[in-house]
Amino acid sequence: SQTIHQWPATLVQPVGSPLSLECTVEGTSNPNLYWYRQAAGRGLQLLFYSVGIGQISSEVPQNLSASRPQDRQFILSSKKLLLSDSGFYLCAWSVILGQAKQETQYFGPGTRLLVL
Amino acid sequence: GEDVEQSLFLSVREGDSSVINCTYTDSSSTYLYWYKQEPGAGLQLLTYIFSNMDMKQDQRLTVLLNKKDKHLSLRIADTQTGDSAIYFCAERRGRGSTLGRLYFGRGTQLTVWP
Repeated sequence: SQTIHQWPATLVQPVGSPLSLECTVEGTSNPNLYWYRQAAGRGLQLLFYSVGIGQISSEVPQNLSASRPQDRQFILSSKKLLLSDSGFYLCAWSVILGQAKQETQYFGPGTRLLVL
Repeated sequence: GEDVEQSLFLSVREGDSSVINCTYTDSSSTYLYWYKQEPGAGLQLLTYIFSNMDMKQDQRLTVLLNKKDKHLSLRIADTQTGDSAIYFCAERRGRGSTLGRLYFGRGTQLTVWP
């Protein structure tokens, strides 16, 4: 069965420090991978998605970047954190199935980031 | 509009039915989803419905889809305190949409009172 891991679970970082959040998926090959941020107000904002190794699409210009060095690894980074980067970061994976192209996204447990 | 819309709050008594409503944006959306998020956790897929269906039932959950009005609802029968969570509606848009792109509502906070 497929599982998705995120770490760390919680992170407190000072403003201006770098960031690296990691997401890994097990039990599937060539998944689509996603990074979302959930800030106060609960809405989910799609930050990045990737359809393959080294292929990253950015949805919103910002202080963050993403990389996919391996098929099942997705990394969210920043060189210098801002206060506004605080939030709950969720990684998700999906695969497309069948002629009907059914696709469901499955989410990881999330990383709570507090920038002080 | 461009946004998937949901009411922000719903309160029900334990044992009653809950109905969470959602209005989506794209009449050609192919799949519509309901996710549940408990405090401090990621999103858990509850159920989904394909756009050629009007209804889907799965144990205590019933999903109704009205394509004409672009309205989706989630009914939870015999609501329990463990159902208290935030429920997100999401649509996978059709023609011209980015592969795999889901659009989420802001979530409905369901509170179940004993």
